[in-house]
Order: sequence, then C-alpha cells, then structure tokens
Amino acid sequence: GAVVSQHPSWVICKSGTSVKIECRSLDFQATTMFWYRQFPKQSLMLMATSNEGSKATYEQGVEKDKFLINHASLTLSTLTVTSAHPEDSSFYICSATGGSNYGYTFGSGTRLTVV
Amino acid sequence: AQTVTQSQPEMSVQEAETVTLSCTYDTSESDYYLFWYKQPPSRQMILVIRQEAYKQQNATENRFSVNFQKAAKSFSLKISDSQLGDAAMYFCAYRDQGAQKLVFGQGTRLTINP
Repeated sequence: GAVVSQHPSWVICKSGTSVKIECRSLDFQATTMFWYRQFPKQSLMLMATSNEGSKATYEQGVEKDKFLINHASLTLSTLTVTSAHPEDSSFYICSATGGSNYGYTFGSGTRLTVV
Repeated sequence: AQTVTQSQPEMSVQEAETVTLSCTYDTSESDYYLFWYKQPPSRQMILVIRQEAYKQQNATENRFSVNFQKAAKSFSLKISDSQLGDAAMYFCAYRDQGAQKLVFGQGTRLTINP
C-alpha cells in the first residue's frame, strides 16, 4: 500500500532556531501534500496545501513566513519552522494524495518541542 | 464553509459490545465524500471507512459500518464486537468532490473496557 515517511518523529530545538520536517511518499507520486498541526487532545488543523512545483496555499491565520513549505518534487515536501518559539511546540502531520487509502495517506507525525 | 461536528468528546464501551459514534456535517454540495479515521496512541492516522455521497448503500468494512443519512447530514460509525485495539481517537472528515482538502471534526475518544 501507499506509504508516507515523515522525519524526524520527534525533535527538540532551541528557541530562535529553525527546524525542518520532511515528508516523503515512498511508493507513489504525491501531487498534493497537506500539512497539519495537532494540539493535545484536539483535532487536526490544516496549515497549508502544497502542490508539486508551485507555491503552497496557506490557511487563514497561518504565518507563511514562519512555516515555510517546499514541494519541489513529486515525492518530497518539507515544512520548515523558522525562528521557532515555545508556542510552536506541537505535533505536525503531513498527508499526501495518491496511492491507496482513497487518496489520502498520512505520515506518522513529528513532535516538535521548542525550549 | 463546510463544517463537521462530533458531539461526543468521549465514549466508552465494554469489550465485545457495539458502540456508535456520531457525526454531523454542514454543506450545500450534493457530491462529496465522508470518512472516518482512527488515531491510536501512536498518533498514526488510519482510514477506517469512507462513503461517497452519491451512494445510497451504507459502507461496511468488517466490524465497522456507517449509517449515512444524506438528508439529515448525518454520518455515524458503528463498531461491532468492540476490541481492545479499537481504543483510539476517531475523527469524522468531509471532502467536496471537487476539492482536495479534508475538513475534520473535533474527534471522539473511544475507550474499550475489558
């Protein structure tokens, strides 16, 4: 079946630094990828939608300069949290269309802690 | 904008019993898709079942089935013969036929009592 690999699974960074999260589709071409943020015991909040080769579309209220999304190939999308602060600590999940699962395959998520 | 509402923050059921999770949604579209996802403690999102709005027949996947009431905009999930491994957060989700993104409900935490 379709697999999306997300790395790292957890990361701790210092306040003010940047951290990059990768999302790779391993066995299918992902024309569209989605990035979500999930707070404890809450639902998934869509941050942005990225299509291969074009700029990402950000949801209202999401700072595009803080959360940089790149989707340069059909198998890789990255989310870079720039100048991270403790309030950016959260669980980030990517999802890709294509493959099985009726079009949506999720990565295993990244727990970001900013200290 | 479309919205999805799960009115049960938490549910519990005895092992081997049946439980129903509720979901309602709001849309003006006639063609769309509905999904139930499971998020266990590992936090990996797993597709449980999906329903196309144009299909009148309720979807079924082994012990999981839905009750899709299009006019009422209701999409409940029934889990039969509950197992300990069913314990998880369950999210209802909606997608327009012509759109790409999913709209998620707030989630229901399901506990299975042995």
